[in-house]
Amino acid sequence: AQSVTQLDSHVSVSEGTPVLLRCNYSSSYSPSLFWYVQHPNKGLQLLLKYTSAATLVKGINGFEAEFKKSETSFHLTKPSAHMSDAAEYFCVVSERMNYGGSQGNLIFGKGTKLSVKP
Amino acid sequence: GAGVSQSPSNKVTEKGKDVELRCDPISGHTALYWYRQSLGQGLEFLIYFQGNSAPDKSGLPSDRFSAERTGGSVSTLTIQRTQQEDSAVYLCASSLVGGGNVIEAFFGQGTRLTVV
Repeated sequence: AQSVTQLDSHVSVSEGTPVLLRCNYSSSYSPSLFWYVQHPNKGLQLLLKYTSAATLVKGINGFEAEFKKSETSFHLTKPSAHMSDAAEYFCVVSERMNYGGSQGNLIFGKGTKLSVKP
Repeated sequence: GAGVSQSPSNKVTEKGKDVELRCDPISGHTALYWYRQSLGQGLEFLIYFQGNSAPDKSGLPSDRFSAERTGGSVSTLTIQRTQQEDSAVYLCASSLVGGGNVIEAFFGQGTRLTVV
C-alpha cells in the first residue's frame, strides 16, 4: 500500500534563503505526486503535480519539485523564501489504478509547517 | 462553477443532532473524496468515490458517519447523533483521472462544523 513520509514537521528559514521540504513515498508502481499548501485558516491549494511526465516539476510561486524514483523522493524546493510562503505544506501520493491498494485515493503526509523569519 | 463547492461553509449544531454536508465536485471529475481536519491537525481520510466502483469507506470513524454520491456528481456526508469530537473542518476534493492516474485534484473551502 502507498504511504507518504514528510521528514520534518517544522522547518524554519530566513527570508531570502532556500527552502527544502522533504517528502518520501512508498508506492507499488507509478504514482501521481502532489504538493499542497495551506495558509492559516485557508483551504488547500495545489502547488504542483507529477503525473509521469517530466521529473522536474515547476509550480506556482517559484516552487519546484523533483521526482526521484530511485530514492522514492519528491522534495519541494524554492531558491529564495518570502514571508508569504509561511504556511503548512502537504505531500500527497496517489497510486495508479488497477495496481492494488487504495487505487486512486489521495494519501496525505502529516504536513510540514514552514516558518519564515525576517 | 469552476471549483469544488461545499455547503454550508459554517455549521453550528447541538450535540445529538444530525447534520448533512454537501459537496459539488468539478464537472467531469470522476473521483470524489471527503477528509476532515481538526484544529492544528493534519488531514484525516474519511471516504472516497471513484466512478461506479464501490466507495472506499475505510476512513469513516464510526457508523454515525455515512456518505453518498448521487448520479456520479453531488455528494452528501451525513453525521448522525453528533458529538463534540466531531467538531472539525470537513473538506471535499474531486479529481480527474486519465490513463489510470489521478491527473489533478482540487479541494473545496471546507465546512467548519462546531458541535455545542
